[in-house]
Amino acid sequence: AAGVIQSPRHLIKEKRETATLKCYPIPRHDTVYWYQQGPGQDPQFLISFYEKMQSDKGSIPDRFSAQQFSDYHSELNMSSLELGDSALYFCASRKGKGADRSNIQYFGAGTRLSVL
Amino acid sequence: GDSVTQMEGPVTLSEEAFLTINCTYTATGYPSLFWYVQYPGEGLQLLLKATKADDKGSNKGFEATYRKETTSFHLEKGSVQVSDSAVYFCALSKAGGYNKLIFGAGTRLAVHP
Repeated sequence: AAGVIQSPRHLIKEKRETATLKCYPIPRHDTVYWYQQGPGQDPQFLISFYEKMQSDKGSIPDRFSAQQFSDYHSELNMSSLELGDSALYFCASRKGKGADRSNIQYFGAGTRLSVL
Repeated sequence: GDSVTQMEGPVTLSEEAFLTINCTYTATGYPSLFWYVQYPGEGLQLLLKATKADDKGSNKGFEATYRKETTSFHLEKGSVQVSDSAVYFCALSKAGGYNKLIFGAGTRLAVHP
């Protein structure tokens, strides 16, 4: 079965550079979530989209922005990168808004961003 | 706000030992509860879930029961294997809305032969 695809898997950037992470949800999934997992930390919710509109926002820095496109893929844009942005960034997708408790989030393998 | 508290790791066990990883939560309403597992270098995989009180989630020999009276969702396995070595995250999501996941800090399990 098709899974959530994230690209790139690994990314190395210098401080103050920009980065773009991409997420391709499972086909027919219309909701996308982004999470950030720092070294040895639990994943923290950043932002989510439903039907191409931002649906919820967590602890996402102002330097970051994201959007969901007409084909439901999503991109997380990160500017003025800082050392503390080094983390594993996960994307998850699901079908629907969440009223159905049986719907669950499926996670991609993540993008590991290293800021030097 | 809503939160999840897990027992601290690492948990080190011998193969075939019994496993318990404690998880308690704080949330208004009736959240759904999950256990996710993260193997080294990999993403998060859903291990099991429960959506209402007294539900028991189970998968691959792991079990957890949604206990509303104690706000707990402890993970258990009767006989662990070396291949179970991973980090385990307890998580909750609220009913309705857009259901972001709120994770606990994770518990690292190391199983030795």
